[in-house]
Amino acid sequence: GAVVSQHPSWVICKSGTSVKIECRSLDFQATTMFWYRQFPKQSLMLMATSNEGSKATYEQGVEKDKFLINHASLTLSTLTVTSAHPEDSSFYICSAINLGQGGYGYTFGSGTRLTVV
Amino acid sequence: AQTVTQSQPEMSVQEAETVTLSCTYDTSESNYYLFWYKQPPSRQMILVIRQEAYKQQNATENRFSVNFQKAAKSFSLKISDSQLGDTAMYFCAFFSQGGSEKLVFGKGTKLTVNP
Repeated sequence: GAVVSQHPSWVICKSGTSVKIECRSLDFQATTMFWYRQFPKQSLMLMATSNEGSKATYEQGVEKDKFLINHASLTLSTLTVTSAHPEDSSFYICSAINLGQGGYGYTFGSGTRLTVV
Repeated sequence: AQTVTQSQPEMSVQEAETVTLSCTYDTSESNYYLFWYKQPPSRQMILVIRQEAYKQQNATENRFSVNFQKAAKSFSLKISDSQLGDTAMYFCAFFSQGGSEKLVFGKGTKLTVNP
């Protein structure tokens, strides 16, 4: 089945530094990927839609200069948290649309737990 | 805009029993998909079941089945013979082919299966 690999699984960084999270579709091409943020005991909050070869579309209230998204190939999207602060600590999840035999489906990465100290 | 409502923040069930999780949605679209995702403590999102709106037959996947009431815009998930491994957050989600391809999630239901 379709697999999305997300790395790293967890990362601790110092305040003011930048962190890059990678999301790769391993066995299918993903022209569109999505980045979510999830706070404890809450639902997934969509941050942005990443389209291969074009600029990402950010949801209202998400700072595009802080959360840089690059989708340079059909299998890789990256999220860079720039000048990270403790309030950026969260769980980040990516997903990709997979048009399988059953129709539309979304495959999720395993998530990245970011802690900013 | 589409919305998804899960009115049960938490539920519990005894092992081997049956439990039903509720989900309602609001849309003016006619072609769409509905999903139930499971998020165990590992936080990996796992697809449980999918329903295409044009299909009248309710989807089933082993112990999981849905009751899809299109006119009522209701999409409940029934888990039969509950197992300890079913303990997780369950999210109902909506996707419209005519829209932005975004998944719209409900707030989730935390299900605990007790031994």
